[in-house]
Parts: sequence; C-alpha cells; structure tokens
Amino acid sequence: ILNVEQSPQSLHVQEGDSTNFTCSFPSSNFYALHWYRWETAKSPEALFVMTLNGDEKKKGRISATLNTKEGYSYLYIKGSQPEDSATYLCALWMDSSYKLIFGSGTRLLVRP
Amino acid sequence: GAGVSQSPSNKVTEKGKDVELRCDPISGHTALYWYRQSLGQGLEFLIYFQGNSAPDKSGLPSDRFSAERTGGSVSTLTIQRTQQEDSAVYLCASSITGGAGGYTFGSGTRLTVV
Repeated sequence: ILNVEQSPQSLHVQEGDSTNFTCSFPSSNFYALHWYRWETAKSPEALFVMTLNGDEKKKGRISATLNTKEGYSYLYIKGSQPEDSATYLCALWMDSSYKLIFGSGTRLLVRP
Repeated sequence: GAGVSQSPSNKVTEKGKDVELRCDPISGHTALYWYRQSLGQGLEFLIYFQGNSAPDKSGLPSDRFSAERTGGSVSTLTIQRTQQEDSAVYLCASSITGGAGGYTFGSGTRLTVV
C-alpha cells in the first residue's frame, strides 16, 4: 500500500508566525509532487507542482522544497495571516500512473 | 464551463435511500476523477474516467457505489442504499489528458446520511 504521510495533522499558530509542515512519500518511481490548499466549502486550489530533486517554488509568502531522494517535501508559510487558514494537501504522482495519491492533509488555523 | 461544477453542494439523506451526485467538468478535459474525504481521513480515490471509460474503479468502496460518464462530459456518482459511513465530502476533479500536471477540482458535495 502506497502511503503519502503529512505532519502535523493540525497546527494552530498566531498571526505573524512562520510555520512549516512536511509531506513524506515513497521515493521510488517518483514523477511529481503536488501541493493544494483547501478552504472549507471551496475547491482545493493548486499551489505547486514539483518534479526535480532540489526544486524550490514560491508564491507570495508560501514556498515549498522537494527532496526526491529521501522522499519528502516541506511547505513554508512566512508571516501567517488568518486568511492562510485552510487544509494543505500534498499528493504524489508516480511514474506510469494515472491518478494523484493524497496525504491526509495538515489543517492550519491562524489566530488573529 | 469555466470551472468544475458539482451538484448538489449539500445533501442530507436518510439511511437506505439512493443518492446521485453530479459533476460537470471543464469542457475539453478528458480525464475525470472522483475522490471523497470522510471525517478525519485523507482524500480517498474512488474512480477515474478517461473519456467515457473507467479504467480504474478499484476505489469504489462497495457494489452500492457506481459511476458513469456520458458524452465525455458529465459524470454521476450513484450511491444505493446509503449507510452512515457514506457520509463524506465527495470531490470531483478533471484534467486535460492525464493528471500529472494537476487537477482542477469542484467544490464538492457534502453528503450526510442520517
């Protein structure tokens, strides 16, 4: 059984704090790692697609890194804001696959 | 359409009743996926369509679940004789061909079985 693991399961931070969470995955047959942001009652929104070992991507205050050899990715949020409150999902696309395999997500709550 | 549309957005049904969930993908997207998230769980794969064919139905939890797609467009997920454990958010997603570049998701149907 293929497992994509995310930690922590949930996180409460104060506005202005920086935070990070982890996605770990099997490194064999890796093709791409996706990050999504899912706010309650909305559609999951694509943040990053990462394919190369050592990739770093950035969108505003959010950035992500990828290590395909050891099978992990970090998502960082700098200076968290209440509007960052959401569930952050990572998903693995394996070589010769046809579907994304999702982790269970990290639920982030940013207190004003 | 401009995005992936799902209906209804919320559905409360009595145990034992049948329900139909609808997904209208982005026009021209050949791949369509159904996932669900039960309380405290991750996104669980249900079924994948390429055009009107479903090469992988392996995620359907039981034979009470079925799905079809017509005209390479709209898909319906049907749950017969609903049980309380079917309560979840059901998400549909589509992509142009395969999904390696990522999916576009709908906003989901929240199903509650009472």
